[in-house]
Amino acid sequence: SQQGEEDPQALSIQEGENATMNCSYKTSINNLQWYRQNSGRGLVHLILIRSNEREKHSGRLRVTLDTSKKSSSLLITASRAADTASYFCATDPSGANSKLTFGKGITLSVRP
Amino acid sequence: EPEVTQTPSHQVTQMGQEVILRCVPISNHLYFYWYRQILGQKVEFLVSFYNNEISEKSEIFDDQFSVERPDGSNFTLKIRSTKLEDSAMYFCASSEAPRQGGGYTFGSGTRLTVV
Repeated sequence: SQQGEEDPQALSIQEGENATMNCSYKTSINNLQWYRQNSGRGLVHLILIRSNEREKHSGRLRVTLDTSKKSSSLLITASRAADTASYFCATDPSGANSKLTFGKGITLSVRP
Repeated sequence: EPEVTQTPSHQVTQMGQEVILRCVPISNHLYFYWYRQILGQKVEFLVSFYNNEISEKSEIFDDQFSVERPDGSNFTLKIRSTKLEDSAMYFCASSEAPRQGGGYTFGSGTRLTVV
């Protein structure tokens, strides 16, 4: 798989359910970030997890990172219709300069 | 909440013409970036800029591209002679500390259409 590859590509759930999205990557990283994008709009930063962290929470978001498997997951609990968007993981590689490599994204639809 | 502002939101240009995409990063941010997203494809890194110089650029960022911070508030991306394949959404981003918790703040993008 390519750097920052998410799965599934599309996810449709009922409001109130939890949404789990996965990301795999290939190279060593400084950190991994998750972004959200509403149709035709910019990317909104959700959460950053560093390579020495295993889990992080922010509101209804929970991110895990397993550097041995080179994978991350984003869990959105108690989803709302307003969570409908595309979600991207982005890896920031080890090395001097920060630059993000994005995956293709996951389209999440939350049905009211 | 502070925003990254990009202008114009849409730009249509003829092939071979020069375009300048403008961005106003968040005022206390020191790191600036341009990314692009061709329709249906991934968001791709173009260039990073810190301390008034390019930190890193991708292979996409060839001699046709340049960036400038002309006046301490604006951050511009110039494409000298546009090609059809330059059609994409261009995102500017800034960060106070890109490897700290806040990550990057992205603008809403400029949709460039080359005809």
